[in-house]
Amino acid sequence: GIQVEQSPPDLILQEGANSTLRCNFSDSVNNLQWFHQNPWGQLINLFYIPSGTKQNGRLSATTVATERYSLLYISSSQTTDSGVYFCAATYSGGGADGLTFGKGTHLIIQP
Amino acid sequence: NAGVMQNPRHLVRRRGQEARLRCSPMKGHSHVYWYRQLPEEGLKFMVYLQKENIIDESGMPKERFSAEFPKEGPSILRIQQVVRGDSAAYFCASSPPRAGPLYTQYFGPGTRLTVL
Repeated sequence: GIQVEQSPPDLILQEGANSTLRCNFSDSVNNLQWFHQNPWGQLINLFYIPSGTKQNGRLSATTVATERYSLLYISSSQTTDSGVYFCAATYSGGGADGLTFGKGTHLIIQP
Repeated sequence: NAGVMQNPRHLVRRRGQEARLRCSPMKGHSHVYWYRQLPEEGLKFMVYLQKENIIDESGMPKERFSAEFPKEGPSILRIQQVVRGDSAAYFCASSPPRAGPLYTQYFGPGTRLTVL
């Protein structure tokens, strides 16, 4: 199956800083999503982005499908951005329809 | 428009009991997925269902676990004879009828299962 790797595994930043989270995937995808798991354990959809660039407020994401990576940008970080960020993908060649998740990036924003 | 609903949010069972987890997809969604988040293993796909059909159960443990999505009512993930290793967060997701490769999975709040 498809492999999804995220980096860095941990990131500690001061409030107001910008950050870039990376997701590499091993094969072509027809679904790639970014999630934020908050401290209460809820998975919040951030982006559905199998290709191209999207922006939503302070967050933006870019997927370069031909090079098999996606980036999540967080600008002007706030303490409420803390949590774990997951990238997940589905292989476009058929087979399993479930998302394969990376291990996540644990982000801590300090005041 | 209500999101994906799961209940109960927290469930405590003793070893050997049965656990039933329920998931109501978003309105208009006909596809349901179950995932499990174990502390040391991350989020893993378990099963994908459409109404009255199991489409992909490649991630389901071979024994004690079953899932259904009946014509009427919520999807049910059933764990028989629970063991301590089943303690985890179980997430349900739903998606609309597929339009080619374009579909987003929307996740519910999860059910936290604790086996004593």
